[in-house]
Amino acid sequence: SAVISQKPSRDICQRGTSLTIQCQVDSQVTMMFWYRQQPGQSLTLIATANQGSEATYESGFVIDKFPISRPNLTFSTLTVSNMSPEDSSIYLCSVEEINYGYTFGSGTRLTVV
Amino acid sequence: DAKTTQPTSMDCAEGRAANLPCNHSTISGNEYVYWYRQIHSQGPQYIIHGLKNNETNEMASLIITEDRKSSTLILPHATLRDTAVYYCIVRAGFGGNEKLTFGTGTRLTIIP
Repeated sequence: SAVISQKPSRDICQRGTSLTIQCQVDSQVTMMFWYRQQPGQSLTLIATANQGSEATYESGFVIDKFPISRPNLTFSTLTVSNMSPEDSSIYLCSVEEINYGYTFGSGTRLTVV
Repeated sequence: DAKTTQPTSMDCAEGRAANLPCNHSTISGNEYVYWYRQIHSQGPQYIIHGLKNNETNEMASLIITEDRKSSTLILPHATLRDTAVYYCIVRAGFGGNEKLTFGTGTRLTIIP
């Protein structure tokens, strides 16, 4: 299955700042998905990132808060902007593979203080 | 995606079979049943999926009822490393780049 590398694995950030999370896949994929997992909660889809077009955001998530880049078929970034403590979560990227279903990165654990 | 219902938590003795149920009474004809698990602080891991026939792989077995309204994931010989949250998800098959919608899952604890 695909190997997904996420950076950083964790970070502690000051409120009001922004953090960009990188997701690198070892094979070309059409779509990449970004999820958020708040403490003690299940995963919630933030957006779907397509190469060459704007990301598609789920209800409750907006581009100004979570801008996404998808410059090529193996890479994507998610930025968490103007952070507040409520943004403290694990952020995960994911890709779909025909034979393996969805593969997830190991996640970025973000703490906003 | 059709909605699924799972017990919040379960315990299982180490070495015994762990049977995790899932109800998906509104599943449609083209939707598969998928199982993922998430071990603490890691990304979810694919386990198995099926449409209507029972499936088995090196990790688990999936039993789907004839009416497809429910299924059971079986871990035949549970180990402590199987302690995780298990998610049952229904959606159309692979290749459609459709999103996965996660429910609350079942927190399985393997007891030594």
